[in-house]
Order: sequence, then C-alpha cells, then structure tokens
Amino acid sequence: KAGVTQTPRYLIKTRGQQVTLSCSPISGHRSVSWYQQTPGQGLQFLFEYFSETQRNKGNFPGRFSGRQFSNSRSEMNVSTLELGDSALYLCASLREPGLAGDTQYFGPGTRLTVL
Amino acid sequence: AQSVTQLDSQVPVFEEAPVELRCNYSSSVSVYLFWYVQYPNQGLQLLLKYLSGSTLVKGINGFEAEFNKSQTSFHLRKPSVHISDTAEYFCAVSAFSGNTPLVFGKGTRLSVIA
Repeated sequence: KAGVTQTPRYLIKTRGQQVTLSCSPISGHRSVSWYQQTPGQGLQFLFEYFSETQRNKGNFPGRFSGRQFSNSRSEMNVSTLELGDSALYLCASLREPGLAGDTQYFGPGTRLTVL
Repeated sequence: AQSVTQLDSQVPVFEEAPVELRCNYSSSVSVYLFWYVQYPNQGLQLLLKYLSGSTLVKGINGFEAEFNKSQTSFHLRKPSVHISDTAEYFCAVSAFSGNTPLVFGKGTRLSVIA
C-alpha cells in the first residue's frame, strides 16, 4: 500500500508570493491533517479536512487555507508569504476521525523556504 | 486543551547503552498517547501508541513506553541503542473524543555515540 505522498518536496519562494502544497493520503483514508514544523515552534496543527469539509482548525492566520477534493487529496495554500512561513509542512492521513486510537500516518513533508 | 512536555531537548548516549526519553502531558480529558520518530529529511514514523489496557506498550525497533496515569507520564525506553537510532523523537497526545489533532512535544534529539 502506498504511503502518504506530498508534492513538491522542496520549494523556494520570495516574500509576498503565494504557494500551494499537495498531499495524497493513503488509499482508503478520508481525513487529512496539515502540520507546520519549525525549529522554534515545533510541530503545530494547521487544519484537518474530512469528506471535503474542514473539521478542525489550528491557530494560524487566514493566509493559511486548505481544501480537500472528492478523492481525499488535499491542498494547502499560503498567500502573501512571510519569512516566518519557512518551515517543513507535514501532511498526515487517517482513515476517519473518531475511530478509537486510529493512527495518523505522515508524509515526508514539503520544505518551504521563503527568501 | 492538551499539552506535552518533553523534559530533555537533547540526549547523548553511547552505543549499546540504555536510554530513556521523558514525556509528561497535561489534559482535562482522557487522551491517547503516541511516540513518533523523525529521521533527517523525513516525515514522522509511529513508534508506538497507548490506547488502553496494559500500561507497558511495545513498539517497533525495540522501543517500549510505560503509561503512568498518576504521574501523567509516558516515558520511552530502549535497553540497548544503536547508531541507527540517532533521530528526533516526539511525544504526542490526542483527545479520546476525536483522534485529532495531535498535540506534540518539542522533541528530543537522541544522539548515539559509537
């Protein structure tokens, strides 16, 4: 079974630009969560999508948005990039929320560098 | 809300020595507990998880963890480490009610010295 895939793996952008990251969950998994990892703040939850609906949202500004498609693939978008948005963005997939103790499986991440 | 504290940011240990990585959590509701490992330039891989039942949980690569409800701890242990165990280790919790989101500790960098 293929794991979680994220594209692209590396991205370099400049301040003010926008960026779109993509995540394909494990086949059969319908929930996708996004996390931001930085050296200073660690791993922080961005948002979760299930059945094309945002189910949960972390404490990030509105410049961060996401969506999920009918095939469960998800994209996240960051507009008006700031230097502080440089981070590893991790996607995690889950069969569905609420299944007792179900495991989130993580992709390899997209390393975003903002210059 | 939940929070996780990993008490050591870095742990150096000699090869074949035992290691313990400490994790304490705080939560007003019941939680599931997880340990993930991250190798350089990779995502997170699940080592083990505690859902209920026996407080000693065995995971992959010879790791185990013990859940202590009274001390709200979930320490990770390995009796004999290898060079290949060098990585960042993250303790995480999620609420019973919905599995997500995961709340992570800041991580512990384990460095195994030959």
